Amino acid sequence: QKEVEQDPGPLSVPEGAIVSLNCTYSNSAFQYFMWYRQYSRKGPELLMYTYSSGNKEDGRFTAQVDKSSKYISLFIRDSQPSDSATYLCAPFGGGSYIPTFGRGTSLIVHP
Amino acid sequence: EAQVTQNPRYLITVTGKKLTVTCSQNMNHEYMSWYRQDPGLGLRQIYYSMNVEVTDKGDVPEGYKVSRKEKRNFPLILESPSPNQTSLYFCASSLKSAVGVGELFFGEGSRLTVL
Repeated sequence: QKEVEQDPGPLSVPEGAIVSLNCTYSNSAFQYFMWYRQYSRKGPELLMYTYSSGNKEDGRFTAQVDKSSKYISLFIRDSQPSDSATYLCAPFGGGSYIPTFGRGTSLIVHP
Repeated sequence: EAQVTQNPRYLITVTGKKLTVTCSQNMNHEYMSWYRQDPGLGLRQIYYSMNVEVTDKGDVPEGYKVSRKEKRNFPLILESPSPNQTSLYFCASSLKSAVGVGELFFGEGSRLTVL
């Protein structure tokens, strides 16, 4: 079992939809949970991160962590075509010094 | 401008011809790393470096070499490239903290094709 699992998609939604992107992980010691966004032919860029359980909101984006079920979510409200990208979750901490990347979920938002 | 610069961005080479992909960062980051990204497999770490003269293997180090003689540079060396090393390569750097590597800054990527 891979340490961090993501459905690769692609996930195709209409503009304006609420998008839910998810990761599961196996290492219960992870403490920091990062989301990276990668546009086509570009390197990943940090979108947002959370520490431990709970929610964090940044504009249209909300990151949610449920450590009891080892489940990480990224919600995008009012999705835009410019949100079309691959989203990678990357937890670390608790002894894992380096982030472990999921395979990424490809999101397509069509006008 | 803070950035990670990789060169070349695109390269087609032949089996066995040694090549080097350079990586340079201007953010005074201690941590640097190389990844390869393949369809369906995601980002896989090749080698990383916690500081000058300190390097460690990642998940897929076979066929690659690295060196860290200066803080800003972390070249990736393919001594004898093979077709299974055809991939998209990313260099990344970060500051270190007590709990771990923080935000990773990635280069634009180097697309390598080995014939």
